[in-house]
Amino acid sequence: AQSVAQPEDQVNVAEGNPLTVKCTYSVSGNPYLFWYVQYPNRGLQFLLKYITGDNLVKGSYGFEAEFNKSQTSFHLKKPSALVSDSALYFCAVRLSSRGYSTLTFGKGTMLLVSP
Amino acid sequence: GAVVSQHPSRVICKSGTSVKIECRSLDFQATTMFWYRQFPKQSLMLMATSNEGSKATYEQGVEKDKFLINHASLTLSTLTVTSAHPEDSSFYICSARPQDILSYEQYFGPGTRLTVT
Repeated sequence: AQSVAQPEDQVNVAEGNPLTVKCTYSVSGNPYLFWYVQYPNRGLQFLLKYITGDNLVKGSYGFEAEFNKSQTSFHLKKPSALVSDSALYFCAVRLSSRGYSTLTFGKGTMLLVSP
Repeated sequence: GAVVSQHPSRVICKSGTSVKIECRSLDFQATTMFWYRQFPKQSLMLMATSNEGSKATYEQGVEKDKFLINHASLTLSTLTVTSAHPEDSSFYICSARPQDILSYEQYFGPGTRLTVT
């Protein structure tokens, strides 16, 4: 079984400050890890993924995430937050084995960036 | 980039009626499509996985006779909510995985807001 934990329901940060949205995962095997963002009444937009290689992954809109195998974490980060970054963020994991496997999502973390 | 559309974006129906939601991959072929349900301020819950030309695989607790899924082509999957009840009101999101066996990603549609009165 695979699972994702996002321990924070909400993260508040002031514009211009760095932000971190936490994610830990559990999977029996090598993981593929993803971050998605959702704006109100919209579908999910892909931000970034970790498949293999460098542990620091850079994605869209200045976001990055660091894969830490020993801590089974994949925290999302951005050096300087924007008000427009305010949205719901989902971490997701799937097995890296060939063939079919489904994405498992965390419960989501609401990011609120204040002006 | 890969685009997935859903139609309609918003639908209101009366209790007891059926409603069909379409999911299309616009610029790629999708062997597999997924249907999710999302309640307010909650995560996405996978309802079922559909593979082109075969029966959908439903997650535990999802009524296959109530949520009919058809994946008739490599670019179209439909979800039909039959005999809808107010508790079926939710945000339904589809996603599609490209036919490329090495593809790691799923591309998500914009979602369909279903309200059953």
